[in-house]
Amino acid sequence: DGGITQSPKYLFRKEGQNVTLSCEQNLNHDAMYWYRQDPGQGLRLIYYSQIVNDFQKGDIAEGYSVSREKKESFPLTVTSAQKNPTAFYLCASSMGRNQPQHFGDGTRLSIL
Amino acid sequence: AQRVTQPEKLLSVFKGAPVELKCNYSYSGSPELFWYVQYSRQRLQLLLRHISRESIKGFTADLNKGETSFHLKKPFAQEEDSAMYYCALGSGTYKYIFGTGTRLKVLA
Repeated sequence: DGGITQSPKYLFRKEGQNVTLSCEQNLNHDAMYWYRQDPGQGLRLIYYSQIVNDFQKGDIAEGYSVSREKKESFPLTVTSAQKNPTAFYLCASSMGRNQPQHFGDGTRLSIL
Repeated sequence: AQRVTQPEKLLSVFKGAPVELKCNYSYSGSPELFWYVQYSRQRLQLLLRHISRESIKGFTADLNKGETSFHLKKPFAQEEDSAMYYCALGSGTYKYIFGTGTRLKVLA
């Protein structure tokens, strides 16, 4: 079954802890994205990657970090510097510029 | 600045009534516009894009460059259309700008 797989579905973070959200795709897409979804705010772009070993900050990158060592994988780390990490995180991929995005099921992150 | 505006947070209509979900955009170039839908307990998925000019599940959307709008329309709403709808703008780069979404409730 082709698509985007995000794990875990639910994640809890303690104060001062970094956590990593996984995103894997088998669509052979070059571009991958991380969004944060908060009620009433739509999707806000955290980071995106056009190609392996390259990524750019989105609109709300502070307190987050990413890597893109493989085409299939684009993990997101929520660092302790992110003061309000409680949200729903969506990973997406696309074939290229201005192409439709495919989304994962999301990860819900909460603070303990 | 590039922006997508969906003015309605919630739209309630009765089954069989026409539906119009509004989307306005701000972009100086030639836009690529999309509608995405998220049904309950399902992932966000593409509904349609303006360049394909097709009708999906009875929905259509026409790009009006003069009014900078890309409203989503359906002549007769069905209960299964109840979902969250997002309008998105592709800006010629790899970035996309999403609206804040409209929740459509179709009442029996």
